[in-house]
Amino acid sequence: GAVVSQHPSWVICKSGTSVKIECRSLDFQATTMFWYRQFPKQSLMLMATSNEGSKATYEQGVEKDKFLINHASLTLSTLTVTSAHPEDSSFYICSARDFAGAGTSSYNEQFFGPGTRLTVL
Amino acid sequence: GENVEQHPSTLSVQEGDSAVIKCTYSDSASNYFPWYKQELGKRPQLIIDIRSNVGEKKDQRIAVTLNKTAKHFSLHITETQPEDSAVYFCAASLGDYKLSFGAGTTVTVRA
Repeated sequence: GAVVSQHPSWVICKSGTSVKIECRSLDFQATTMFWYRQFPKQSLMLMATSNEGSKATYEQGVEKDKFLINHASLTLSTLTVTSAHPEDSSFYICSARDFAGAGTSSYNEQFFGPGTRLTVL
Repeated sequence: GENVEQHPSTLSVQEGDSAVIKCTYSDSASNYFPWYKQELGKRPQLIIDIRSNVGEKKDQRIAVTLNKTAKHFSLHITETQPEDSAVYFCAASLGDYKLSFGAGTTVTVRA
C-alpha cells in the first residue's frame, strides 16, 4: 500500500512552454501533498504544500504564478511549470501524506513519487 | 523555519565497518525525524524514522538516536554492505508535517 505515482517520468520542452506534472496517490487518500525540487547533487527543497480543495501554500522564494498547483481531488495534485526556462530544469518530486495513517510507519510518514526529470532547452 | 545541518557530506567506509551520519536541527518544536536513502535518479526511500518522544530506534542494521536537548540526531549503519552505497538525507518536521532536509551524505562502501 501507500503508493504514489508521477507522470511523466521525464519531459523535454522548449523554453517558454508550459509543462504539467501529475502526482497521484494510488491506494490512499491524500488531503495534503508536497512538491519538491532537487537540483543535481543537491538536497530536496520544498516548493509548496498542496491541500485538497484549497489554495497551495508556497515556500519563500517560490513564484506561485510560475509554479501553478492544483489539488482538485483526494488522489491527484498537479504542478504546472509555466513559461519554463533552462534554469527550471530539475528533478521534481511529489510526496503525499496518508491522512488516515494507513501506512506501515508512523503517522507522519510521507510517501514519495518516483520524480519527474524536466529538461528545458 | 526549520534549518537542518548534516555531516559529513561524503563518507567512505570499508565493507563490514559502521557508518555514522549526524544532523542538527534548529527548531526545538520539531517532533519527527526521518532518514531517507536515495539512489541516483530515484525517489527518496524512508529507511527509519523517530519521533521526539523516543530516544533511540533500531531496525536490523540501522539505528537512529535523538538528543532533544542538544537538538541533534544520528543515523548508524552497522555491518555495511556495498548495496548501502547511496545518498542519505536526514529531515526534520514540525507539527505542520512539512519536511526540512539536510544537505545529504554520499556514502560509499568499499568492497
